[in-house]
Amino acid sequence: GESVGLHLPTLSVQEGDNSIINCAYSNSASDYFIWYKQESGKGPQFIIDIRSNMDKRQGQRVTVLLNKTVKHLSLQIAATQPGDSAVYFCAEKMGYGNKLVFGAGTILRVKS
Amino acid sequence: DAGITQSPRHKVTETGTPVTLRCHQTENHRYMYWYRQDPGHGLRLIHYSYGVKDTDKGEVSDGYSVSRSKTEDFLLTLESATSSQTSVYFCAISESNRDGGGYTFGSGTRLTVV
Repeated sequence: GESVGLHLPTLSVQEGDNSIINCAYSNSASDYFIWYKQESGKGPQFIIDIRSNMDKRQGQRVTVLLNKTVKHLSLQIAATQPGDSAVYFCAEKMGYGNKLVFGAGTILRVKS
Repeated sequence: DAGITQSPRHKVTETGTPVTLRCHQTENHRYMYWYRQDPGHGLRLIHYSYGVKDTDKGEVSDGYSVSRSKTEDFLLTLESATSSQTSVYFCAISESNRDGGGYTFGSGTRLTVV
C-alpha cells in the first residue's frame, strides 16, 4: 500500500489493551470533529464524530472526547484488536461548504 | 467504497504532460472534494464542488483545475504535471452537514510524475 506514514507519531499497544489517540485542533471556531481510520492502500473511513456542544460521544468500542478549552480531541479504542492497526486522522470542520481540515495522523500498531 | 469510484487507480506520467483523474459517485451527493495525501501531511484539500458547475479552491490548488458538468462526476486536471504532484489523490463526497456524518472517500489514485 501507499506509504503515508513517514514521520507520523506511532502508538504501539498490546492486543486487548485500550488505546488513546490524541489530536490538537487549530481553530477555536470549529464546530464539528471527525475521526477517520485509514488502512494501507485504502481511503479513510469514518469512525465517529462529535459536535462542539458535546464533550463525549460513544460508539461501538470507540469513544471520542472533546476539550474545547485546550482545543484537544482524543479517540479511545477499547480492547484493541489487530484489525485496528491503521493510521488515524482527526478532522475539524470550519467554513462554508462543509469542508474538513485534516490533521497529519497517528499510526496505531497492535501487537499480538 | 460503495457509491464512489476513482479512475485510474494508478498512473505514471511524464513531466509536462496533462493528466485528468476522474471521480464518479452514484449517491447523488451535492458536495465533492479532491484531496492529495503525502507522507507526514495528512490530507490537503485541492478543490471542491458544492454543485454542478460550482467549484472553489482549496489550500493547495496551484497547478490543478477541476470541472463538474454533472452531479456524478468530478474531474481533476493537472495541466502540466510536475514531480511535486506525485502523490496519492483521494476524492470524497458528502451531503450537507446538517445530518452529521463525514465524508465517504474513494480508494485513491496513485500518481507518479517522472
